Amino acid sequence: GAVVSQHPSWVICKSGTSVKIECRSLDFQATTMFWYRQFPKQSLMLMATSNEGSKATYEQGVEKDKFLINHASLTLSTLTVTSAHPEDSSFYICSGGTGQGAGETQYFGPGTRLLVL
Amino acid sequence: GEDVEQSLFLSVREGDSSVINCTYTDSSSTYLYWYKQEPGAGLQLLTYIFSNMDMKQDQRLTVLLNKKDKHLSLRIADTQTGDSAIYFCAEIPTGRRALTFGSGTRLQVQP
Repeated sequence: GAVVSQHPSWVICKSGTSVKIECRSLDFQATTMFWYRQFPKQSLMLMATSNEGSKATYEQGVEKDKFLINHASLTLSTLTVTSAHPEDSSFYICSGGTGQGAGETQYFGPGTRLLVL
Repeated sequence: GEDVEQSLFLSVREGDSSVINCTYTDSSSTYLYWYKQEPGAGLQLLTYIFSNMDMKQDQRLTVLLNKKDKHLSLRIADTQTGDSAIYFCAEIPTGRRALTFGSGTRLQVQP
């Protein structure tokens, strides 16, 4: 199956710093990438949907100025957590979709665990 | 709303069958999915079912869909310790492309 990688797999940073997470589709072109966040013992919640070459669409309650998403190519999307605070500590997971309609399969990355001290 | 609900925890003995249940809200969802998440890892697609099907079997996995009751279940036959994980059901609601996940069911398999 298709492979999605994320980098880094985990990161620890100080409060107030910015962290960039990369999501790459390795063997397919992802016309759309989705960013999810998962707090401990909770389900995945969609943060935003990004299409290559256009602005991301954010879910209600997700600050677009805090979580910057760039989808510059069909194989790379980045999520930057700006001025991170301890409450941003979470597991961030991306997925790539091929844009083939209702039956498309989304391929998930392994996730990035962020800890903000 | 777009709530997908699951029971939180299931414990079975190795070799028994496991049945994980899920209820969803959007009757127009074309596909319904089951994902597996092992500790500290991302999500693995286990199987999915098209909404015009009642059942789908894939090796040890059997998915049952009751559209009338908006109920989805995943049966794992001959459950092994390696099946211990969190299982999420998910749907793609009408008009959206992102998945809406259930709360997840933690399956614990005891030797």
